[in-house]
Amino acid sequence: NAGVTQTPKFRILKIGQSMTLQCTQDMNHNYMYWYRQDPGMGLKLIYYSVGAGITDKGEVPNGYNVSRSTTEDFPLRLELAAPSQTSVYFCASRLGTGIIYEQYFGPGTRLTVT
Amino acid sequence: KQEVTQIPAALSVPEGENLVLNCSFTDSAIYNLQWFRQDPGKGLTSLLLIQSSQREQTSGRLNASLDKSSGRSTLYIAASQPGDSATYLCAVLNSNSGYALNFGKGTSLLVTP
Repeated sequence: NAGVTQTPKFRILKIGQSMTLQCTQDMNHNYMYWYRQDPGMGLKLIYYSVGAGITDKGEVPNGYNVSRSTTEDFPLRLELAAPSQTSVYFCASRLGTGIIYEQYFGPGTRLTVT
Repeated sequence: KQEVTQIPAALSVPEGENLVLNCSFTDSAIYNLQWFRQDPGKGLTSLLLIQSSQREQTSGRLNASLDKSSGRSTLYIAASQPGDSATYLCAVLNSNSGYALNFGKGTSLLVTP
């Protein structure tokens, strides 16, 4: 299993541009998440999905959109990039609702908006 | 809203010392608590997961304890090594937001030879 994979690893965007961060997991996990981590801070939840076709907002959803058409993929779309979106983005997944299940994280995408 | 606090924010110790990292949370209605390690510029590696009904978990030189009633967890690292240098993140699981984790800001650990 590759686990959770993210592409690209790095990206520089100009203000106002758009892009999609890709996330794929091969563990057949139902739950998937997008977090962002700003320097010196913990991770904050952007969006989450409890299954294909079901998504919901987290703590900091403004400026982002998501879709979940398959169990494996959970792309994050940035529209009209702003400097405040400069951050490291992590995708994560977990199997289900059981309390014993861990969350597994991808390696992250480091995004700079200038 | 769950708030997770980690103290200290940074810690520097000589090699061989035993050390304790602290994590506190405001809402004791948690399902579990995970400790992660993050190396500079890297992703998160899960170290230990403690279920709400458990008091502690051990893995090698690491021991994590949980006191749900007081809203506290500690990560104990025995006989620290330079390779332990990293940021350690504490995260708690509540039932809200699709079982997403609530993270502290982390403790940056430096173990000097």
